[in-house]
Amino acid sequence: NAGVTQTPKFRVLKTGQSMTLLCAQDMNHEYMYWYRQDPGMGLRLIHYSVGEGTTAKGEVPDGYNVSRLKKQNFLLGLESAAPSQTSVYFCASSTMTGSYEQYFGPGTRLTVT
Amino acid sequence: AQKVTQAQTEISVVEKEDVTLDCVYETRDTTYYLFWYKQPPSGELVFLIRRNSFDEQNEISGRYSWNFQKSTSSFNFTITASQVVDSAVYFCALSGKYNNNDMRFGAGTRLTVKP
Repeated sequence: NAGVTQTPKFRVLKTGQSMTLLCAQDMNHEYMYWYRQDPGMGLRLIHYSVGEGTTAKGEVPDGYNVSRLKKQNFLLGLESAAPSQTSVYFCASSTMTGSYEQYFGPGTRLTVT
Repeated sequence: AQKVTQAQTEISVVEKEDVTLDCVYETRDTTYYLFWYKQPPSGELVFLIRRNSFDEQNEISGRYSWNFQKSTSSFNFTITASQVVDSAVYFCALSGKYNNNDMRFGAGTRLTVKP
């Protein structure tokens, strides 16, 4: 099992460009999450999904959109990238609610210039 | 609101020393869950432990131990006889029962273990 994978691993964008980050999990988990990690701030939840076709906002959702068309995939979109979105993005999944262990992907390092 | 504070930004120890990482949390929930995750230099986050608010027993796993004290809202993590491989950033996290998909992480403590 690959666990949680993220594509791409690195990306550089110019301000105003758009992109989509892909997260895939092969553990048949219902719950999936997108976090961003910034220096000195730990991880902050952007959006999450409790099942196929459902999404919800987390702590810092502005500037991002998500979709969960298939159970195993959770996409994070940036429609118009801003330098403030320079961060490391982590996807995670869990078998049940956020009260249970989350399995994390390797992260995507995004730089917006 | 839920909040996790890890006051120690960085800790440096010499191999074989014991080290304790502090975690203090705030929540209004009576049922909640606490976690520790490790982030080694390779970058991925590794789950270490999960405790619920009704289980105040301390836990030991090899060289790792956790001290949960509801009276002080703390969930501290101790590494005994530290090793170079323990060098990582350690995150404490909190999840409430009724908003259990909104896990809040502390800022992390960077531990460096020198040979």
